[in-house]
Amino acid sequence: DQQVKQNSPSLSVQEGRISILNCDYTNSMFDYFLWYKKYPAEGPTFLISISSIKDKNEDGRFTVFLNKSAKHLSLHIVPSQPGDSAVYFCAASEGTGANNLFFGTGTRLTVIP
Amino acid sequence: NAGVTQTPKFQVLKTGQSMTLQCAQDMNHEYMSWYRQDPGMGLRLIHYSVGAGITDQGEVPNGYNVSRSTTEDFPLRLLSAAPSQTSVYFCASSYRGHTEAFFGQGTRLTVV
Repeated sequence: DQQVKQNSPSLSVQEGRISILNCDYTNSMFDYFLWYKKYPAEGPTFLISISSIKDKNEDGRFTVFLNKSAKHLSLHIVPSQPGDSAVYFCAASEGTGANNLFFGTGTRLTVIP
Repeated sequence: NAGVTQTPKFQVLKTGQSMTLQCAQDMNHEYMSWYRQDPGMGLRLIHYSVGAGITDQGEVPNGYNVSRSTTEDFPLRLLSAAPSQTSVYFCASSYRGHTEAFFGQGTRLTVV
């Protein structure tokens, strides 16, 4: 059973507006959460992460929010740019160590100029 | 720095053939992993290694073999290819204790 879920396969947003990508998880033992960005024919690239002791982490235009009680996290991109168009994967792990990441199925973001 | 390098980028195999997917990293990372990506499934962990000489199974290990004789290399062997192994394979590496993984560009494998 999928332990990390991204229920929106796609999202379209106008340039300059906010993009909000959502992710849910079922395993309460997960304590690190990450977002990866993937362009076609390339490997995923790390974007931003958050540990379970925090509820928010910011890096420039990207902010990740974690709601542990709801087992939900979200990625906010403000303002959205056409270069942000890609597939975004949510991932989670139990403890540190990227050798055991559980990934969601991805959300394809399209930023319309 | 080349990062994580995977070869080949594309491969077509016949059912029953064997092959090795190569993965090399030049960042002196202790941890290395293999994932497969299938439509609608996200990435799933096949095998991983926490250091030279140490490997372990992930979520979907059947039909695959790995070894880690050096820090830099982590090859993935398909013992007898099956159509169900048609997928895109990604190798990743990371420092011990770090959750951020660096991924290679992927190998697209088709088994006919």
